[in-house]
Amino acid sequence: KAGVTQTPRYLIKTRGQQVTLSCSPISGHRSVSWYQQTPGQGLQFLFEYFSETQRNKGNFPGRFSGRQFSNSRSEMNVSTLELGDSALYLCASSSFSGGANEQYFGPGTRLTVT
Amino acid sequence: AQSVAQPEDQVNVAEGNPLTVKCTYSVSGNPYLFWYVQYPNRGLQFLLKYITGDNLVKGSYGFEAEFNKSQTSFHLKKPSALVSDSALYFCAVRDMKAAGNKLTFGGGTRVLVKP
Repeated sequence: KAGVTQTPRYLIKTRGQQVTLSCSPISGHRSVSWYQQTPGQGLQFLFEYFSETQRNKGNFPGRFSGRQFSNSRSEMNVSTLELGDSALYLCASSSFSGGANEQYFGPGTRLTVT
Repeated sequence: AQSVAQPEDQVNVAEGNPLTVKCTYSVSGNPYLFWYVQYPNRGLQFLLKYITGDNLVKGSYGFEAEFNKSQTSFHLKKPSALVSDSALYFCAVRDMKAAGNKLTFGGGTRVLVKP
């Protein structure tokens, strides 16, 4: 099976702009989670989508939003970018939501805000 | 609330020597525990997980982890480290009672295996 894919891999944006990141989960996986990784804050959970519904949400401002499509692909949007949004954004997929199932991560999208 | 602590920012070990990466956790209920590894410019790769039962869990690439409920620890171990094991290691926890797939990660431990 193909792994989790994320596009684009690298992105440079200017403060105030908005950005959309895309994630394609492993075939058959219905849960997609998003994480932000920064040197200072480490890995932080953004949100999870399962069967097109947001299942969980982390402690991020409303500028961060997401959605999931019927084919389980997910997008994450950040509006009004700030310098502090510079990070590696990781997407993870799993077969179902909850329980002991492990998540499989994509390579990430490196976002730089200037 | 759930939390994870990885007390060592970096672990240095000589190739062939045993490797241990420490992790302690806190959850209100019982935990699901995971270890992931991250190589440069890559996402996280799943190594192993603890669900229930046997306290010693075996995973990928010769890694294993020992669950200790009384000490709320889940240390990662490898009997003989390889240079290629040099990477960033993350411990993560999910409360069994929690809905969804949210993982709480520790801060990560960088492992450097010297030839």
